[in-house]
Amino acid sequence: QKEVEQNSGPLSVPEGAIASLNCTYSDRVSQSFFWYRQYSGKSPELIMSIYSNGDKEDGRFTAQLNKASQYVSLLIRDSQPSDSATYLCAALNNDMRFGAGTRLTVKP
Amino acid sequence: DTAVSQTPKYLVTQMGNDKSIKCEQNLGHDTMYWYKQDSKKFLKIMFSYNNKELIINETVPNRFSPKSPDKAHLNLHINSLELGDSAVYFCASGDSSYEQYFGPGTRLTVT
Repeated sequence: QKEVEQNSGPLSVPEGAIASLNCTYSDRVSQSFFWYRQYSGKSPELIMSIYSNGDKEDGRFTAQLNKASQYVSLLIRDSQPSDSATYLCAALNNDMRFGAGTRLTVKP
Repeated sequence: DTAVSQTPKYLVTQMGNDKSIKCEQNLGHDTMYWYKQDSKKFLKIMFSYNNKELIINETVPNRFSPKSPDKAHLNLHINSLELGDSAVYFCASGDSSYEQYFGPGTRLTVT
């Protein structure tokens, strides 16, 4: 069983829609969770971190954490073509474990 | 100013050679990391260094050795390169909240 699982996609949404990216993790001890965005040929870029159950909002991005369900999500409101990238979910226990990423395409 | 920098950006070499990748961060972070991203884009941690001490050492071959001359630098040395070592290697640095910031990556191709 993979430690951090994501749907590889591609996930396609129209411009202006809400994109919903999901992630599950297997290690209940994980306490910190992160979302990274990676454009093709570029390095991962931190979008958000979340440590407590509930929602955390930053601009158009909202991260959601449910530790009981071992589930993390990222919502992108008013999606833009520039949001098209691969989104990586990561969970921290003793070290950082990344999911394989979900490729998002936002169509104009 | 670049927060996390790596050199070289591209590295093409033959099997059996020894090579190094350099990493520097100017964020003042205490911890630096090396990651490998394979052809399937899966990002996997290799090493981390905190205050010059290795605190995580994933099950990577001992041909790979991290070297940290000071808190701002973490270099990766690879001996006897193999075809399977071809990948993109990312350096990262992290703060006390464990948020990590990545360098631009080094694409290593072993022929």
